[in-house]
Amino acid sequence: DARVTQTPRHKVTEMGQEVTMRCQPILGHNTVFWYRQTMMQGLELLAYFRNRAPLDDSGMPKDRFSAEMPDATLATLKIQPSEPRDSAVYFCASGLDGQETQYFGPGTRLLVL
Amino acid sequence: GDSVTQMEGPVTLSEEAFLTINCTYTATGYPSLFWYVQYPGEGLQLLLKATKADDKGSNKGFEATYRKETTSFHLEKGSVQVSDSAVYFCALSDDEGGTSYGKLTFGQGTILTVHP
Repeated sequence: DARVTQTPRHKVTEMGQEVTMRCQPILGHNTVFWYRQTMMQGLELLAYFRNRAPLDDSGMPKDRFSAEMPDATLATLKIQPSEPRDSAVYFCASGLDGQETQYFGPGTRLLVL
Repeated sequence: GDSVTQMEGPVTLSEEAFLTINCTYTATGYPSLFWYVQYPGEGLQLLLKATKADDKGSNKGFEATYRKETTSFHLEKGSVQVSDSAVYFCALSDDEGGTSYGKLTFGQGTILTVHP
């Protein structure tokens, strides 16, 4: 049963620290999406990739957030420095180009103190 | 730009009650429409989808019909169960002039709680 995996599942850190979240998309999928979920804002698209190339990261605060795909099996989302307002659940999703269904990972729950 | 509007929640029902969650959209192209479900502590899962006008998506007793004339995609279930308690998201994927990157626009989500 192919699934998107995300690590860590939970992260508690202090303001100013670097946070790295990792995602392993489903093998063979070539699109990857990063979302942030909060009670106030709901689901926000932060960035998405196609064939490892960033297509749109306009939803991401550029000064502190960065997203990369070092290879086809790994996507990373980094926050440096982290702030309390970054506390949220971060989801990764993957899919196939030309198919609209996205498959979500279980999320990383981040708390910045 | 594209947008999705869902009915305000939360929705609380007794088991075996009829469920409707309203969803309307605005889009520049010819979108596909989706309902995703999020169970507590988990990621979103695709529940059903419809890709063109008058299509009906269905899964696990849930149904939604793509209504282009009213730009709506309301979710219905005839008899809910306690296990249906979750957050439900309506979403659309717009073709964007033939370039389909699979980008989704989500509604704000509707919390459903079903009591025994």
